[in-house]
Amino acid sequence: NAGVTQTPKFQVLKTGQSMTLQCAQDMNHEYMSWYRQDPGMGLRLIHYSVGAGITDQGEVPNGYNVSRSTTEDFPLRLLSAAPSQTSVYFCAVTGWETQYFGPGTRLLVL
Amino acid sequence: AQSVTQPDIHITVSEGASLELRCNYSYGATPYLFWYVQSPGQGLQLLLKYFSGDTLVQGIKGFEAEFKRSQSSFNLRKPSVHWSDAAEYFCAVGAYIGGTSYGKLTFGQGTILTVHP
Repeated sequence: NAGVTQTPKFQVLKTGQSMTLQCAQDMNHEYMSWYRQDPGMGLRLIHYSVGAGITDQGEVPNGYNVSRSTTEDFPLRLLSAAPSQTSVYFCAVTGWETQYFGPGTRLLVL
Repeated sequence: AQSVTQPDIHITVSEGASLELRCNYSYGATPYLFWYVQSPGQGLQLLLKYFSGDTLVQGIKGFEAEFKRSQSSFNLRKPSVHWSDAAEYFCAVGAYIGGTSYGKLTFGQGTILTVHP
């Protein structure tokens, strides 16, 4: 039982490049979300999904795209990376009265 | 809109001393409150949560927190700190999103705890 997995663990991008951060869960929960963590700012919600085919914006959605075609997967896309998107990204799955966080993806945009 | 404030960016305590980390929240309805801990380079671990009922909640690793509605606070406490408690601590408030789900967490800025031997 892997819980919440994220790939890659670390990525370096050049400004303007695109990439997809992967998040997968094996707990069969409907609600999934993406957060970014920056020093001194805690974690901020980027996008979330309440089930396959349903997504919505969080606090800081600009520059990010999401879709949810299956219960298991919730990828986060950066269409044109910017240095301001340098951060640590966490995927979370909401279960019974708690949230399970993935191990994180550390992204550096040069 | 919901918000969380952790007034202390950095706290230093001696090993064996007591600890209190402050958290103030703003939320329009009954809040769902959480404390998470994060060690350097690691993910988040849930320490404890408050949904309803007893306002003093017990968590893992000997931590407890008290919900005070009149003060909009949810402070984290530990009677005797161990060196392994050194980490960053985050308070969060969650929105009810239906069923048994509490998502859309809003986090505080975090408090870094340093423990002196």
